[in-house]
Amino acid sequence: AQSVTQLGSHVSVSEGALVLLRCNYSSSVPPYLFWYVQYPNQGLQLLLKYTSAATLVKGINGFEAEFKKSETSFHLTKPSAHMSDAAEYFCAVSYTGRRALTFGSGTRLQVQP
Amino acid sequence: ETGVTQTPRHLVMGMTNKKSLKCEQHLGHNAMYWYKQSAKKPLELMFVYSLEERVENNSVPSRFSPECPNSSHLFLHLHTLQPEDSALYLCASSLQQGGAGELFFGEGSRLTVL
Repeated sequence: AQSVTQLGSHVSVSEGALVLLRCNYSSSVPPYLFWYVQYPNQGLQLLLKYTSAATLVKGINGFEAEFKKSETSFHLTKPSAHMSDAAEYFCAVSYTGRRALTFGSGTRLQVQP
Repeated sequence: ETGVTQTPRHLVMGMTNKKSLKCEQHLGHNAMYWYKQSAKKPLELMFVYSLEERVENNSVPSRFSPECPNSSHLFLHLHTLQPEDSALYLCASSLQQGGAGELFFGEGSRLTVL
């Protein structure tokens, strides 16, 4: 089955440190890949998406992700964490013709002062 | 208003009640979705509507009944629910179903079944 796996349900970083959230997909066809963020008591908000153009995708709030076909990965990074980045992050995958996104199980990011 | 709006934001109901969740999108999108978000579980796709036609039903129990009267509105009718149905129910919309189009989410309806 085509799916997406997020490694690490919880990640904790210090303020100012690098943020790295991992996402791997399994697919036999080219995927569309997405990262969403969810703040407490809110819905999901799109951070960025990959749609087969540039492999390095820049998103909102200083986040970016790189599509690596050889590693079937789409990890999310941010050079310097801010307290306001504390939230849950979801990787999602879709394909041409597929009806809806399939989401990973999420990674909760904590940012320590 | 803009975006995707869900009402009510919070709902508490007994197992014998009948209630409905409402979703409205002001984005001119053609596809709408219901997702269920439970603690410690991935988001579960429940229903997909495209151009007001239900195109996907992921083995959801019949106590959940969706309705899409037009491309801007989506309802989830709830009847005889179980405590394990307590969750955050998220509505989303997209320009078209699937593919490269991203989903736009509402803030969710937090359901508690007693």
